[in-house]
Amino acid sequence: EVQLVQSGGGLVRPGGSLRLSCVASGYTFGDNFIDWIRQAPGKGLEWVGRIKNKANSFITEYAASVRGRFTISRDDARNSAYLQVSSLKTDDTAVYYCARTFLGAADYWGQGALVAVSS
Amino acid sequence: EIVLTQSPGTLSLSPGEGVTLSCRASQTVSGTSLAWFQHKPGQAPRLLIHGASKRATGIPGRFSASGSGTEFTLTISRLEPEDFAVYYCQEYGTSPKTFGGGTKVEIK
Repeated sequence: EVQLVQSGGGLVRPGGSLRLSCVASGYTFGDNFIDWIRQAPGKGLEWVGRIKNKANSFITEYAASVRGRFTISRDDARNSAYLQVSSLKTDDTAVYYCARTFLGAADYWGQGALVAVSS
Repeated sequence: EIVLTQSPGTLSLSPGEGVTLSCRASQTVSGTSLAWFQHKPGQAPRLLIHGASKRATGIPGRFSASGSGTEFTLTISRLEPEDFAVYYCQEYGTSPKTFGGGTKVEIK
């Protein structure tokens, strides 16, 4: 059974940083890309970014709203992906999801992690 | 950036009714790189459709989708109680991989 388990959310001050983790199981982690998606309170889904696999040179892509502040990485030996969020703003308050992609679409999702940015 | 517009914003329907949701893209979607998700409060979104019309693993046959270019639809033939949720379309062929604003299907 494919599972993605997230950890690392919390309350952080504006300008602060946090690292979210996503540990996968039930499939060959290195075969797939990982997306990060977020949902701010009362808002819709927003794509944050993607990390491709080794076969695709671990290329990363980001939404304009987070580029330069957020960094996606992965450790295939640990079946893990990470989202480093920095220079946080109150607008970054959201539930953050990691998701495996299959043929480009996010087919299995983590349970979500809340990042609350507040002074 | 491709902008996806979903309509209507909210639908009030009864179990057993059928519904068609619309997703319109501001530019032609690459290939068939369009997905539909179902999202319920407190849960992770669930992939329903990928490739514009292919049901994801385990998705019931009452869900179907079609479209190409800039016009896409998701149809639920007969609403079950568990189908009341918010539905999002997403374009994933280009970057950024934008989501539509969502259509909420609520119980009438």
